[in-house]
Amino acid sequence: DVKVTQSSRYLVKRTGEKVFLECVQDMDHENMFWYRQDPGLGLRLIYFSYDVKMKEKGDIPEGYSVSREKKERFSLILESASTNQTSMYLCASRNPWTDTQYFGPGTRLTVL
Amino acid sequence: QQQVKQSPQSLIVQKGGISIINCAYENTAFDYFPWYQQFPGKGPALLIAIRPDVSEKKEGRFTISFNKSAKQFSLHIMDSQPGDSATYFCAASQLDSNYQLIWGAGTKLIIKP
Repeated sequence: DVKVTQSSRYLVKRTGEKVFLECVQDMDHENMFWYRQDPGLGLRLIYFSYDVKMKEKGDIPEGYSVSREKKERFSLILESASTNQTSMYLCASRNPWTDTQYFGPGTRLTVL
Repeated sequence: QQQVKQSPQSLIVQKGGISIINCAYENTAFDYFPWYQQFPGKGPALLIAIRPDVSEKKEGRFTISFNKSAKQFSLHIMDSQPGDSATYFCAASQLDSNYQLIWGAGTKLIIKP
C-alpha cells in the first residue's frame, strides 16, 4: 500500500526560526511536491522535484527552499519563519503511470 | 488561463440527495481532470478522474461529467451519505506541464442525516 509520511503532524515555531519539514515516500516515485493549504485558497504549489537533486519553483516559493538528496525524501525548509507562513503543509508524490498524487497527512505549522 | 474555478465554496445536502460540485477551466490544453476528497486531519486522496476523450465516468455513487465545449466538469455524488462529508477539490493538468496539477479552491460538503 502506498505510503507518504510527514515528520510532524503539528509544529509550533517562533518568528525567525529555521524550520525543517520532512516527507518520505515508499513508492520509489520520482516526482514529489510540497503544497500549502489555506482555507478558501485550495492547494498552492510551493516547490516540486522531478528527480533526486532536481527541483523547480511552484507558484509561491518565496521564503521557502527544498532539498532532495535521496529519492524517497523531500524536505521543505523555511529559512526564517514568519507568521504569514502559519498554514497546513502537504507533501505528495506522483505515480507516473496513473498521474495520481499521493498525499501525506499534512503538518499544521503555527509560527508565533 | 491556468486557473480552475470551483463552485460552490460550501454545500449542504440532505442524506440521500444528490451533491453537485462544478469546475470550469480556460486552458484547452488540459487533458487530465481528477477529483480529490479530503477528510479532516487527512491529506487529499484521489476519488475519481477523467480524460477528455469521454464525457462521463462513473465509479459507484460518484460520477464525473465532462463538457469539453463548455470547458466545464462536475462531480455528482448520488445518494449522498454522512460519510461523504469532506472537502472536495477538482484539478487539471496538461501533458508537458512538469506534472503539475492546477487546483480548484475546494468545496466543503456537509451531508445532513
